[in-house]
Amino acid sequence: ILNVEQSPQSLHVQEGDSTNFTCSFPSSNFYALHWYRWETAKSPEALFVMTLNGDEKKKGRISATLNTKEGYSYLYIKGSQPEDSATYLCALLLNNAGNMLTFGGGTRLMVKP
Amino acid sequence: NAGVTQTPKFRILKIGQSMTLQCAQDMNHNYMYWYRQDPGMGLKLIYYSVGAGITDKGEVPNGYNVSRSTTEDFPLRLELAAPSQTSVYFCASSTTGDMNTEAFFGQGTRLTVV
Repeated sequence: ILNVEQSPQSLHVQEGDSTNFTCSFPSSNFYALHWYRWETAKSPEALFVMTLNGDEKKKGRISATLNTKEGYSYLYIKGSQPEDSATYLCALLLNNAGNMLTFGGGTRLMVKP
Repeated sequence: NAGVTQTPKFRILKIGQSMTLQCAQDMNHNYMYWYRQDPGMGLKLIYYSVGAGITDKGEVPNGYNVSRSTTEDFPLRLELAAPSQTSVYFCASSTTGDMNTEAFFGQGTRLTVV
């Protein structure tokens, strides 16, 4: 069983705070890491697909970094807004697992106005 | 743009009943997946398909069956519903096995077995 762990499980922040959370994974056979944003009652939507050690990706106020040697990725949100409230999922793709994404348990972010 | 469409959105089943969750995508994606999501847990892969006529088991396939007769459709069948199958089910698709390929998800089916 492949362990993809996300921490924290949930996070409450005030509007305007910056925040970050972690996705940890086994570093062997790494192929790609995906981040998804999942709002309640909607379908998960891809934020980033990261493949190279040292990758940094940015979309507006959200950015992510990747360290494949030590097996972690950080997702950062700068100046959180209430509309950022969602569950953020990371998923790992290994190079010996076909195209099977293995998901972490998610970090549920709630931003208070 | 329809993307990935799942039906129904909600369903209540009695123990022992059977049902089929429908999933269709109009993006001509080869890869399709069924996941279930339980509270506090990540998405667990039930079955996946890399193309029409080809299916394979994921992490939690017991109690489910799938078929892939066309590129567009990937139905998930529950033969004898059990309370342990109460969950939210997501269908997803992606273009190929390329490592840069994101998955596109349907809106989910919330199933309760009583």
